[in-house]
Amino acid sequence: GENVEQHPSTLSVQEGDSAVIKCTYSDSASNYFPWYKQELGKRPQLIIDIRSNVGEKKDQRIAVTLNKTAKHFSLHITETQPEDSAVYFCAASTQGGSEKLVFGKGTKLTVNP
Amino acid sequence: EAQVTQNPRYLITVTGKKLTVTCSQNMNHEYMSWYRQDPGLGLRQIYYSMNVEVTDKGDVPEGYKVSRKEKRNFPLILESPSPNQTSLYFCASSPTWVSGVIETQYFGPGTRLLVL
Repeated sequence: GENVEQHPSTLSVQEGDSAVIKCTYSDSASNYFPWYKQELGKRPQLIIDIRSNVGEKKDQRIAVTLNKTAKHFSLHITETQPEDSAVYFCAASTQGGSEKLVFGKGTKLTVNP
Repeated sequence: EAQVTQNPRYLITVTGKKLTVTCSQNMNHEYMSWYRQDPGLGLRQIYYSMNVEVTDKGDVPEGYKVSRKEKRNFPLILESPSPNQTSLYFCASSPTWVSGVIETQYFGPGTRLLVL
């Protein structure tokens, strides 16, 4: 089955810096890659997703890139703010949608003021 | 207000005592799913349901049961809970696009379960 590796497990940056979180997946048939943000004590929320027919997607300060050949995808957050502090999860699915998501183990991002 | 609700939010029980965690959504979503979240392991899917009377196993279904008799409800049943089922459980739901694709999952607030 699919296996998703996520790195780093913790990341600390200064406010205003960029943060990059990387994930690799094992199943070349995976075609849908969402990213979820989970603030302390709260539920996960989708922040951005990308499909395998797209190489990059942006939404304001957040972007995701996908390299199908290398089977990895990354989350980029620019101009980080303290409210970006949270645990971020990547996920992959072979179903074309999120029916059967396999998640990475998460990255705890801390943005220091 | 559109939402996914779970009950109870916190539960302490003993090994072997059957329990049910309820999940309900008021958004008329076809898809619903259960996850467990454990430190260092991320979110792992237990079961999911594409529609009423249609359920399928996720990655960690052992020790759990589900049912989907109504569109809005998707209870998680632990017939004989064990300490290794101590975890934070999330229910989620999603609409199905006309194309059949499931996208954004809306998570419930979570249920923290401790099995002694």
